[in-house]
Amino acid sequence: EAQVTQNPRYLITVTGKKLTVTCSQNMNHEYMSWYRQDPGLGLRQIYYSMNVEVTDKGDVPEGYKVSRKEKRNFPLILESPSPNQTSLYFCASSWGGGSAVEQYFGPGTRLTVT
Amino acid sequence: LAKTTQPISMDSYEGQEVNITCSHNNIATNDYITWYQQFPSQGPRFIIQGYKTKVTNEVASLFIPADRKSSTLSLPRVSLSDTAVYYCLVGEFLYNQGGKLIFGQGTELSVKP
Repeated sequence: EAQVTQNPRYLITVTGKKLTVTCSQNMNHEYMSWYRQDPGLGLRQIYYSMNVEVTDKGDVPEGYKVSRKEKRNFPLILESPSPNQTSLYFCASSWGGGSAVEQYFGPGTRLTVT
Repeated sequence: LAKTTQPISMDSYEGQEVNITCSHNNIATNDYITWYQQFPSQGPRFIIQGYKTKVTNEVASLFIPADRKSSTLSLPRVSLSDTAVYYCLVGEFLYNQGGKLIFGQGTELSVKP
Protein backbone atom coordinates (compact mmCIF):
# COMPACT_ATOMS: atom_id res chain seq x y z
CA GLU A 1 0.00 0.00 0.00
CA ALA A 2 1.32 3.41 -1.00
CA GLN A 3 1.79 5.47 2.12
CA VAL A 4 3.72 7.97 4.16
CA THR A 5 4.54 6.83 7.68
CA GLN A 6 5.61 8.89 10.64
CA ASN A 7 6.97 7.85 14.00
CA PRO A 8 6.23 8.39 16.75
CA ARG A 9 2.58 9.38 16.48
CA TYR A 10 2.57 10.98 19.92
CA LEU A 11 5.50 12.34 21.89
CA ILE A 12 5.77 14.19 25.16
CA THR A 13 9.22 15.51 25.99
CA VAL A 14 10.98 18.13 28.04
CA THR A 15 12.65 21.33 26.98
CA GLY A 16 16.12 20.83 25.56
CA LYS A 17 16.01 17.08 25.03
CA LYS A 18 16.91 16.33 21.43
CA LEU A 19 14.37 14.36 19.45
CA THR A 20 13.85 13.02 15.95
CA VAL A 21 10.57 12.39 14.17
CA THR A 22 10.96 9.95 11.32
CA CYS A 23 9.16 10.09 7.99
CA SER A 24 9.26 7.43 5.33
CA GLN A 25 7.47 7.01 1.98
CA ASN A 26 7.26 3.95 -0.28
CA MET A 27 6.22 5.71 -3.50
CA ASN A 28 9.69 6.62 -4.79
CA HIS A 29 8.75 10.28 -4.52
CA GLU A 30 11.31 13.00 -5.15
CA TYR A 31 9.74 15.78 -3.08
CA MET A 32 9.28 15.52 0.67
CA SER A 33 8.36 18.17 3.20
CA TRP A 34 7.47 18.84 6.81
CA TYR A 35 4.64 20.99 8.15
CA ARG A 36 3.43 22.10 11.50
CA GLN A 37 -0.18 22.86 12.28
CA ASP A 38 -1.29 25.17 15.04
CA PRO A 39 -4.78 26.47 15.87
CA GLY A 40 -5.50 29.68 14.01
CA LEU A 41 -2.28 29.50 12.00
CA GLY A 42 -3.10 26.73 9.57
CA LEU A 43 -0.56 24.44 7.99
CA ARG A 44 2.90 25.94 7.68
CA GLN A 45 5.82 24.42 5.83
CA ILE A 46 9.03 23.90 7.84
CA TYR A 47 11.46 22.37 5.35
CA TYR A 48 11.29 20.65 2.01
CA SER A 49 13.58 18.47 -0.07
CA MET A 50 13.54 17.87 -3.78
CA ASN A 51 16.16 15.16 -3.80
CA VAL A 52 18.75 13.32 -1.77
CA GLU A 53 21.10 15.77 -0.06
CA VAL A 54 19.00 18.72 -1.29
CA THR A 55 16.97 20.52 1.36
CA ASP A 56 15.57 24.03 1.64
CA LYS A 57 13.76 26.19 4.17
CA GLY A 58 10.04 26.61 4.24
CA ASP A 59 8.24 29.39 6.06
CA VAL A 60 9.06 28.37 9.65
CA PRO A 61 12.45 26.60 9.75
CA GLU A 62 13.80 28.11 12.98
CA GLY A 63 14.55 25.48 15.61
CA TYR A 64 14.39 22.55 13.19
CA LYS A 65 16.84 20.52 11.13
CA VAL A 66 16.26 17.95 8.44
CA SER A 67 18.34 15.54 6.43
CA ARG A 68 17.74 13.58 3.25
CA LYS A 69 20.35 10.84 3.02
CA GLU A 70 18.02 8.39 1.32
CA LYS A 71 15.18 9.07 -1.08
CA ARG A 72 12.53 7.41 1.05
CA ASN A 73 13.39 9.00 4.42
CA PHE A 74 13.16 12.59 5.61
CA PRO A 75 13.60 12.89 9.39
CA LEU A 76 12.78 16.06 11.32
CA ILE A 77 15.23 16.88 14.08
CA LEU A 78 14.62 19.17 17.04
CA GLU A 79 18.00 19.58 18.68
CA SER A 80 16.78 21.63 21.62
CA PRO A 81 12.98 21.57 21.71
CA SER A 82 11.11 24.42 23.36
CA PRO A 83 7.46 24.69 24.45
CA ASN A 84 6.62 26.84 21.40
CA GLN A 85 7.36 23.80 19.24
CA THR A 86 4.41 21.98 20.77
CA SER A 87 2.34 21.28 17.67
CA LEU A 88 0.92 18.72 15.27
CA TYR A 89 3.48 17.79 12.64
CA PHE A 90 2.86 16.33 9.21
CA CYS A 91 5.24 14.88 6.68
CA ALA A 92 4.27 14.80 3.01
CA SER A 93 5.69 13.50 -0.25
CA SER A 94 5.04 13.89 -3.98
CA TRP A 95 6.62 13.06 -7.33
CA GLY A 96 7.48 16.66 -8.07
CA GLY A 97 7.49 20.20 -6.78
CA GLY A 98 4.92 22.93 -7.31
CA SER A 99 1.51 23.51 -5.82
CA ALA A 100 -0.22 21.55 -8.59
CA VAL A 101 1.43 18.26 -7.69
CA GLU A 102 -0.66 16.06 -5.41
CA GLN A 103 0.85 15.81 -1.94
CA TYR A 104 0.52 12.61 0.10
CA PHE A 105 0.46 13.25 3.81
CA GLY A 106 1.41 11.09 6.75
CA PRO A 107 -0.88 10.55 9.75
CA GLY A 108 0.73 13.24 11.87
CA THR A 109 2.84 13.40 15.02
CA ARG A 110 1.50 15.23 18.03
CA LEU A 111 4.40 16.71 19.96
CA THR A 112 4.19 18.24 23.41
CA VAL A 113 7.22 19.99 24.87
CA THR A 114 6.99 20.79 28.59
CA LEU B 1 3.16 31.39 -5.82
CA ALA B 2 -0.21 32.98 -6.34
CA LYS B 3 -1.71 34.36 -3.15
CA THR B 4 -5.09 32.89 -2.26
CA THR B 5 -7.89 34.18 -0.05
CA GLN B 6 -10.69 32.01 1.27
CA PRO B 7 -13.16 32.36 4.16
CA ILE B 8 -11.85 31.25 7.52
CA SER B 9 -14.99 29.35 8.44
CA MET B 10 -18.42 28.35 7.16
CA ASP B 11 -21.43 26.65 8.72
CA SER B 12 -23.95 24.46 6.96
CA TYR B 13 -26.63 21.87 7.65
CA GLU B 14 -26.86 18.32 6.49
CA GLY B 15 -28.31 17.96 3.01
CA GLN B 16 -27.38 21.45 1.85
CA GLU B 17 -25.01 22.32 -0.96
CA VAL B 18 -21.90 24.13 0.21
CA ASN B 19 -19.85 26.46 -1.97
CA ILE B 20 -16.41 27.62 -0.83
CA THR B 21 -14.84 30.36 -2.91
CA CYS B 22 -11.13 31.00 -3.24
CA SER B 23 -9.79 34.25 -4.68
CA HIS B 24 -6.50 34.20 -6.58
CA ASN B 25 -6.18 37.45 -8.51
CA ASN B 26 -2.53 36.89 -9.43
CA ILE B 27 -2.94 33.44 -10.95
CA ALA B 28 -0.39 32.74 -13.70
CA THR B 29 -0.87 31.03 -17.04
CA ASN B 30 0.72 27.77 -15.92
CA ASP B 31 -1.07 27.63 -12.57
CA TYR B 32 -3.64 25.03 -11.60
CA ILE B 33 -6.15 25.25 -8.77
CA THR B 34 -6.00 22.39 -6.30
CA TRP B 35 -8.18 21.69 -3.26
CA TYR B 36 -7.41 19.53 -0.25
CA GLN B 37 -9.65 18.27 2.54
CA GLN B 38 -8.41 17.74 6.08
CA PHE B 39 -10.39 15.88 8.72
CA PRO B 40 -9.56 16.56 12.39
CA SER B 41 -6.21 15.10 13.44
CA GLN B 42 -5.52 13.69 9.97
CA GLY B 43 -3.27 14.86 7.18
CA PRO B 44 -4.81 16.75 4.26
CA ARG B 45 -5.86 14.75 1.22
CA PHE B 46 -6.20 15.88 -2.38
CA ILE B 47 -9.82 16.09 -3.52
CA ILE B 48 -9.96 17.95 -6.81
CA GLN B 49 -7.95 19.99 -9.29
CA GLY B 50 -8.78 22.12 -12.30
CA TYR B 51 -7.41 24.61 -14.80
CA LYS B 52 -10.54 26.17 -16.26
CA THR B 53 -14.33 25.72 -16.55
CA LYS B 54 -15.73 22.86 -14.50
CA VAL B 55 -14.36 19.67 -13.03
CA THR B 56 -16.43 17.07 -11.22
CA ASN B 57 -15.54 13.90 -9.38
CA GLU B 58 -17.18 11.67 -6.81
CA VAL B 59 -16.35 14.05 -3.97
CA ALA B 60 -16.88 17.57 -5.29
CA SER B 61 -17.15 19.94 -8.21
CA LEU B 62 -14.81 22.78 -9.01
CA PHE B 63 -16.02 25.81 -10.93
CA ILE B 64 -13.48 28.16 -12.50
CA PRO B 65 -14.63 31.27 -14.41
CA ALA B 66 -13.02 32.36 -17.62
CA ASP B 67 -10.73 34.94 -15.99
CA ARG B 68 -9.56 32.29 -13.47
CA LYS B 69 -9.21 34.89 -10.72
CA SER B 70 -11.36 32.84 -8.40
CA SER B 71 -12.65 29.31 -8.05
CA THR B 72 -15.51 27.67 -6.18
CA LEU B 73 -15.44 24.26 -4.55
CA SER B 74 -18.93 22.83 -4.43
CA LEU B 75 -19.93 20.01 -2.08
CA PRO B 76 -23.38 18.62 -2.93
CA ARG B 77 -25.70 17.58 -0.11
CA VAL B 78 -23.18 17.68 2.70
CA SER B 79 -23.28 15.30 5.63
CA LEU B 80 -21.73 15.48 9.09
CA SER B 81 -18.70 13.64 7.74
CA ASP B 82 -17.90 16.57 5.45
CA THR B 83 -16.92 18.61 8.50
CA ALA B 84 -13.29 19.41 7.73
CA VAL B 85 -10.86 22.13 6.74
CA TYR B 86 -10.64 22.82 3.01
CA TYR B 87 -7.50 24.32 1.47
CA CYS B 88 -7.15 26.05 -1.87
CA LEU B 89 -3.71 26.03 -3.50
CA VAL B 90 -2.72 27.73 -6.73
CA GLY B 91 0.48 26.91 -8.54
CA GLU B 92 2.14 24.96 -11.29
CA PHE B 93 3.66 21.57 -11.88
CA LEU B 94 7.40 21.70 -11.35
CA TYR B 95 9.53 18.93 -12.74
CA ASN B 96 12.96 18.28 -11.26
CA GLN B 97 12.75 21.28 -8.99
CA GLY B 98 11.18 21.93 -5.66
CA GLY B 99 9.62 24.94 -4.07
CA LYS B 100 7.63 26.17 -1.11
CA LEU B 101 4.04 25.12 -0.69
CA ILE B 102 1.60 27.41 1.08
CA PHE B 103 -1.54 25.83 2.50
CA GLY B 104 -2.57 28.73 4.71
CA GLN B 105 -5.44 28.53 7.18
CA GLY B 106 -7.99 27.02 4.87
CA THR B 107 -11.75 27.16 5.37
CA GLU B 108 -13.14 25.33 8.36
CA LEU B 109 -16.50 23.86 7.36
CA SER B 110 -18.82 22.81 10.13
CA VAL B 111 -21.84 20.73 9.14
CA LYS B 112 -24.66 20.57 11.67
CA PRO B 113 -27.51 18.07 11.91
